[in-house]
Amino acid sequence: KQEVTQIPAALSVPEGENLVLNCSFTDSAIYNLQWFRQDPGKGLTSLLLIQSSQREQTSGRLNASLDKSSGRSTLYIAASQPGDSATYLCAVYTGANSKLTFGKGITLSVRP
Amino acid sequence: DAGVIQSPRHEVTEMGQEVTLRCKPISGHNSLFWYRQTMMRGLELLIYFNNNVPIDDSGMPEDRFSAKMPNASFSTLKIQPSEPRDSAVYFCASSLTTGSYEQYFGPGTRLTVT
Repeated sequence: KQEVTQIPAALSVPEGENLVLNCSFTDSAIYNLQWFRQDPGKGLTSLLLIQSSQREQTSGRLNASLDKSSGRSTLYIAASQPGDSATYLCAVYTGANSKLTFGKGITLSVRP
Repeated sequence: DAGVIQSPRHEVTEMGQEVTLRCKPISGHNSLFWYRQTMMRGLELLIYFNNNVPIDDSGMPEDRFSAKMPNASFSTLKIQPSEPRDSAVYFCASSLTTGSYEQYFGPGTRLTVT
């Protein structure tokens, strides 16, 4: 059974800092990995989707990498801003039934 | 496109009552997913449909939960009877199809059962 882990559960950084959010998964036979952002009381917004054949994807100040063999992904946020404060969830698509399995998220707070 | 639409946004009900949550997927998307989010368990997939057909309902917690998709533009998740432990945020998501396609989430329905 696929398990997705995100540690730490919460992170607080000063504005302007470059930061890395980590995600690990137990079953490396994934189809893709997706990073989401969730603001308090809101739904999930897809940030980046990495296919299993890809190593990384970039969107603006965000860069996500994928290492299937080690079961790891990282989300790099450059020059963090207070508006980046949110919960970031990692999810992997696995198996014949193509289910998304989510981590519990990392709650990021960027201090002005 | 309006995105995935869910209603109601908030629902407060008493234990034992029937609750119906509604979802309209993005037009042209063939797959629809229902998730539940709680602090303790995070986001869990309850059931998903492909071309209006339920594919996997192994995440549905009990027989009190049921889901239908009568057509490509509408789905319901019903809880009958509701219990306090069903209190959670329920999300609907859609994608072009199953497989490695990006999922788009609705704003969620916050359910409180007293």
